[in-house]
Amino acid sequence: DSGVTQTPKHLITATGQRVTLRCSPRSGDLSVYWYQQSLDQGLQFLIQYYNGEERAKGNILERFSAQQFPDLHSELNLSSLELGDSALYFCASSVASQGGYETQYFGPGTRLLVL
Amino acid sequence: SQQGEEDPQALSIQEGENATMNCSYKTSINNLQWYRQNSGRGLVHLILIRSNEREKHSGRLRVTLDTSKKSSSLLITASRAADTASYFCATSGGGSARQLTFGSGTQLTVLP
Repeated sequence: DSGVTQTPKHLITATGQRVTLRCSPRSGDLSVYWYQQSLDQGLQFLIQYYNGEERAKGNILERFSAQQFPDLHSELNLSSLELGDSALYFCASSVASQGGYETQYFGPGTRLLVL
Repeated sequence: SQQGEEDPQALSIQEGENATMNCSYKTSINNLQWYRQNSGRGLVHLILIRSNEREKHSGRLRVTLDTSKKSSSLLITASRAADTASYFCATSGGGSARQLTFGSGTQLTVLP
């Protein structure tokens, strides 16, 4: 158990809908990262938040957005869903110290199926 | 886009044998990490090697890093059926953003 929790574990929805994925980082971790894993694209970084502020953006679609709240939990919002958005979405957290050498701890993921 | 490519894509060995997986990457890195993923589940961190390190051990795992060749290898010794999983290398660049860029992964099957 990495200490990172994600809800829900599974989500089935229809095209055009909007969903919210939730992540709670490990106690003490200030950074949260979101990744998408799909068969065709592999594991891709979406976005990073550090202590409530967006720190880096990867291959995140404009239909997707995220935020990190004062209690450091994060939410990933996916809207106008398409079939191709079906994937495993992972959240990871790290201490994000200034040292730069740190492990990211991954949650169990949310499996999204868009029908 | 994927930073690294892993080789082989799939590897099948007998229990007790050693398994070696290779990872190549394209840009300069801060560190390189290896993760394991059991089928459809979360990623488990295995080991982190810094860019100024050449070799690191953790239990039955041995990781090497050659920054001049932009490559790394993961050796699992005395493999067990429970080692069956996908293994990913992930690189982290410099700066304040520390997102990981993952390779395509090696699917390891250890036969009992």
